[in-house]
Amino acid sequence: DQQVKQNSPSLSVQEGRISILNCDYTNSMFDYFLWYKKYPAEGPTFLISISSIKDKNEDGRFTVFLNKSAKHLSLHIVPSQPGDSAVYFCAASRERMKTSYDKVIFGPGTSLSVIP
Amino acid sequence: EAQVTQNPRYLITVTGKKLTVTCSQNMNHEYMSWYRQDPGLGLRQIYYSMNVEVTDKGDVPEGYKVSRKEKRNFPLILESPSPNQTSLYFCASSLGRAPGQPQHFGDGTRLSIL
Repeated sequence: DQQVKQNSPSLSVQEGRISILNCDYTNSMFDYFLWYKKYPAEGPTFLISISSIKDKNEDGRFTVFLNKSAKHLSLHIVPSQPGDSAVYFCAASRERMKTSYDKVIFGPGTSLSVIP
Repeated sequence: EAQVTQNPRYLITVTGKKLTVTCSQNMNHEYMSWYRQDPGLGLRQIYYSMNVEVTDKGDVPEGYKVSRKEKRNFPLILESPSPNQTSLYFCASSLGRAPGQPQHFGDGTRLSIL
């Protein structure tokens, strides 16, 4: 049973438009959520994160929104660029103790294609 | 350059032949982890380590072993590999144990077990 779900395996967006990638989770104990981007033949790279005490975090063109009641988060990319074409993974972790965290759960990923 | 280095990048081997995938990071990170990536399943955590001599199971630890004798190294050991362990493997590290610390990933090791 997947605790972190990304129900859209793929998404195509026109260059300059907004890309919205969605992620749902089932475990209300998750404290932190992170987004990673992955290009072919490379490892994932960290993009942006959000703590469960916030509902929004912004970094340049990237904004993550968290809706705790719906157990849903989304990544907005505005404006989308061809270089954003990659697989995006949503990940969640849970604080086990005050100074450490438990295992990290990744979603299956969404492949974003930004069309020039 | 700050990096996580995995070796080998590619390996084809046969069932039952013990193998080790090495992982090394040069960032003095405390937390290290191994993942496997399979189609439709994303990244699944195999084992993680919060510090030297401290390791714990992730979601899919069966058939794997790890050790953390030095802070920089975190090898993944397959004592008796089987075809269902054919996958793309990633090693990752993060600076501290604080929740939400982003991880730095290696470029992956593609294992094929015949």
